[in-house]
Amino acid sequence: SVLTQPPSASGTPGQMVTLSCFGASGIVGGPLVDWYQQLPGAAPKLVIYNNHQRPSGVPDRFSGFRSGPTVSLRIDGLQSEDEGLYFCAAWDDRPPKSYVFGPGTTVTVL
Amino acid sequence: EVLLVQSGAEVKKPGESLKISCQGSGFNFATYWIGWVRQMPGKELEWMGVIWPGDSDVIYGPSFKGHVTMSADQSANTVFLQWSSVQPSDSGTYYCVRPRRESCSGTSCYNLDTWGQGTLVSVSS
Repeated sequence: SVLTQPPSASGTPGQMVTLSCFGASGIVGGPLVDWYQQLPGAAPKLVIYNNHQRPSGVPDRFSGFRSGPTVSLRIDGLQSEDEGLYFCAAWDDRPPKSYVFGPGTTVTVL
Repeated sequence: EVLLVQSGAEVKKPGESLKISCQGSGFNFATYWIGWVRQMPGKELEWMGVIWPGDSDVIYGPSFKGHVTMSADQSANTVFLQWSSVQPSDSGTYYCVRPRRESCSGTSCYNLDTWGQGTLVSVSS
């Protein structure tokens, strides 16, 4: 995958967890990164778009950051209902052009 | 409420044809690109492409061009994903998606802010 993510992350309730997405700086054409949350048995849900924008209805515990080549999703005050898969994604303007997803990070609440 | 409602699960044999659907409601269907994303059993997501229901202009993802056909019936607020001959490698969950209006054009597409519930496709002999 053009984008890479650590396979897993974990934390206890109330902790802060940071998920990373690598490779976005190599994507030509405006590497704006989106983040999706997929809870068990559900469809993915957009939680951050364009690096740091939060869609309406997403708790402000979720925030997005970009620092150089690394893009991150931070979850403050981790809750049991945050347990699931988190994917980063971006438009890759290099031929063949496509919207590419990272492999996902599984978040476990201990 | 903005909704994308997909057709039900399908079980097919290799070589059979298949057409699944996605109906939108709660928004002006004619002013949005609508797309598809595949999730294989290993859980990775793949962007299949998008269609403009107004004129059926399609941008296919590179892995899917020539293998699937996207179509639309704007009058019914519905888009379709079709195979002429499914194979076991087509098994997976297919999600209908709606990108944010300002984030999708004829040259790029991202910010998938609405997802259907998914259609599970199983292909086995």
